[in-house]
Amino acid sequence: NAGVTQTPKFRILKIGQSMTLQCTQDMNHNYMYWYRQDPGMGLKLIYYSVGAGITDKGEVPNGYNVSRSTTEDFPLRLELAAPSQTSVYFCASSSLPGTAYNEQFFGPGTRLTVL
Amino acid sequence: KQEVTQIPAALSVPEGENLVLNCSFTDSAIYNLQWFRQDPGKGLTSLLLIQSSQREQTSGRLNASLDKSSGRSTLYIAASQPGDSATYLCAVRKETSGSRLTFGEGTQLTVNP
Repeated sequence: NAGVTQTPKFRILKIGQSMTLQCTQDMNHNYMYWYRQDPGMGLKLIYYSVGAGITDKGEVPNGYNVSRSTTEDFPLRLELAAPSQTSVYFCASSSLPGTAYNEQFFGPGTRLTVL
Repeated sequence: KQEVTQIPAALSVPEGENLVLNCSFTDSAIYNLQWFRQDPGKGLTSLLLIQSSQREQTSGRLNASLDKSSGRSTLYIAASQPGDSATYLCAVRKETSGSRLTFGEGTQLTVNP
């Protein structure tokens, strides 16, 4: 199993450009998440999804959008990139709450720089 | 609002030493607590998950304990090795937040040969 995969690994954007960060999981998990990690900090939740067609905001959703058309995919969209969005972005997935071992599995991350 | 704090922010120890990493959280109404390892430039690897009803979990040289009522967890690493050098993050899942995790800022561990 590939687990959680993310593309691209690295990207440099100019201010005002847009891009989509891709995330795919092959574990048939209902729950998927997007986090950002700034240097020396923990992870902060941007958006999450409890299943196809259902998304909700996390702690820091401003400047981002998500969609969930399939169980496997959960893309994150930046519409007007700003320097404050320079960060490392992690996608994660987990099985349904209440299952015996509801851990989150993380992708390798996308390192984004906005200049 | 749940806040998670990890102390110390950085720790440097000689190889072979036993060590303890600390994690505290402000809201004791948690569903579980998870410890992760993060290597430089890499993603997160789950180490241990403790359900709120459990007191501890063990995996190899790692032992994680949970005192839910006092809002504390510790990660004990026995006989540390240079390969243990990484950042260790703890994260809590609140009972009412679905599966969302709140992360601490991590402890950067360096084990010197």
